[in-house]
Amino acid sequence: SQKIEQNSEALNIQEGKTATLTCNYTNYSPAYLQWYRQDPGRGPVFLLLIRENEKEKRKERLKVTFDTTLKQSLFHITASQPADSATYLCALNNAGNMLTFGGGTRLMVKP
Amino acid sequence: GAGVSQSPSNKVTEKGKDVELRCDPISGHTALYWYRQRLGQGLEFLIYFQGNSAPDKSGLPSDRFSAERTGESVSTLTIQRTQQEDSAVYLCASSPGQGHNQPQHFGDGTRLSIL
Repeated sequence: SQKIEQNSEALNIQEGKTATLTCNYTNYSPAYLQWYRQDPGRGPVFLLLIRENEKEKRKERLKVTFDTTLKQSLFHITASQPADSATYLCALNNAGNMLTFGGGTRLMVKP
Repeated sequence: GAGVSQSPSNKVTEKGKDVELRCDPISGHTALYWYRQRLGQGLEFLIYFQGNSAPDKSGLPSDRFSAERTGESVSTLTIQRTQQEDSAVYLCASSPGQGHNQPQHFGDGTRLSIL
């Protein structure tokens, strides 16, 4: 069956460190993958999109990698800040080309 | 400019009642999506509208759920004879183009509680 797996346990890190979140998928062949941020009580906000032929994408303190062999995307936040605390969702296109979301990982950055 | 607007922000109703949720997409966005998000879980796709094409209803969980959209404007999601398992946040998103690889712009959702 198709799965998108993100660590359901919260990731706790110290301010200034690099946060790394993982998105693994099974039985998908996505052409692209997106990452979103969601704060409590709010809708998700788009952060980055990476295509299957791109190994890495950067935007300010954010970096996303996409390994179609490992079927995995890593999402990094460098020099993390308490304001980065949120839930981060990965999403990829299924065979019908509809975007399918993972369950998200909650990040807590402590001052 | 204005983002995606959803109303009401909260809705509490009794089991068996019908509810109607509204979404105002970003002006000019041709694609509109509805999702359901249960507590602590990811987004579950419900329905997709693209311009004047027939909607993709493949995610609707039962025939109690329906949605409409007039042209490229407002959409309403209707749940008839609500059940307790319908309790969730219902999120609407719009995007400017036809491809599903376009970033989606979300509203803050309607939190639906069925007593």
